[in-house]
Amino acid sequence: EPEVTQTPSHQVTQMGQEVILRCVPISNHLYFYWYRQILGQKVEFLVSFYNNEISEKSEIFDDQFSVERPDGSNFTLKIRSTKLEDSAMYFCASSLDRASTDTQYFGPGTRLTVL
Amino acid sequence: SQKIEQNSEALNIQEGKTATLTCNYTNYSPAYLQWYRQDPGRGPVFLLLIRENEKEKRKERLKVTFDTTLKQSLFHITASQPADSATYLCALRPTSGTYKYIFGTGTRLKVLA
Repeated sequence: EPEVTQTPSHQVTQMGQEVILRCVPISNHLYFYWYRQILGQKVEFLVSFYNNEISEKSEIFDDQFSVERPDGSNFTLKIRSTKLEDSAMYFCASSLDRASTDTQYFGPGTRLTVL
Repeated sequence: SQKIEQNSEALNIQEGKTATLTCNYTNYSPAYLQWYRQDPGRGPVFLLLIRENEKEKRKERLKVTFDTTLKQSLFHITASQPADSATYLCALRPTSGTYKYIFGTGTRLKVLA
C-alpha cells in the first residue's frame, strides 16, 4: 500500500539554525499538508499546499516557515531560524484530490529537537 | 472561544467490550468530522469520516455518530481487542470553505486482555 514517507526520523539542531524537513507524499496525490505536534499536545495544522502554492496557513506558520515542492516527488518544510519552541513532531500528509481532501494520509513524522 | 474536547483521562476496558469515546465541540459548525488512531511516536491514521448531514457511519467494528444539536461525536469500537489500544483523535473541518482540520487532544484507550 502506498504511504507517505518522511526524512529524517529525528533531527537535532541548535537554536538559530535552519532545518529542512523532507516528505515524499503518495505519488498521485495533489494536496499536501504539514502539521506539528508538541509532546503531549494536540496535532496542529500548519499549512496546506496545492498546485505549487500555499492554499491555507495557520497563525503558527509565520515568516520563519516556508514550504516547497522542489521536484515532482518531494515536499519540504523549512524553518529558517529555529527556536526552542519549534521542538515537536512534524507530520506531512497528502490527499488525492479536492473531492478527497478529507482523507489525509499522514507520514510517520520527523521529531525535531532544538537545543 | 472555539474548543474541541476529548476525555483526557485514559479509558481502560476489558477485551470484548465496546469502547465508546466522546468528542465535544464548542463554537464550531463543522462540515466534516473525522476520527484517527495514533500510536506512540507515529502519525495519525485515518479511520472514519462523517459529514454534517450523516447521523452514523460504520466500518467493520467501528461506528461513529454525529449529533450537530448536541455538538458531539461518539466513536465506538465493538468487540475490542488489545490491538485496539492507542490514542484516538477526533478532528473537524471548521467550515466547508477550508481544507484544514482542527484536532482534539485525543483519548488514550487501553484494552485489557
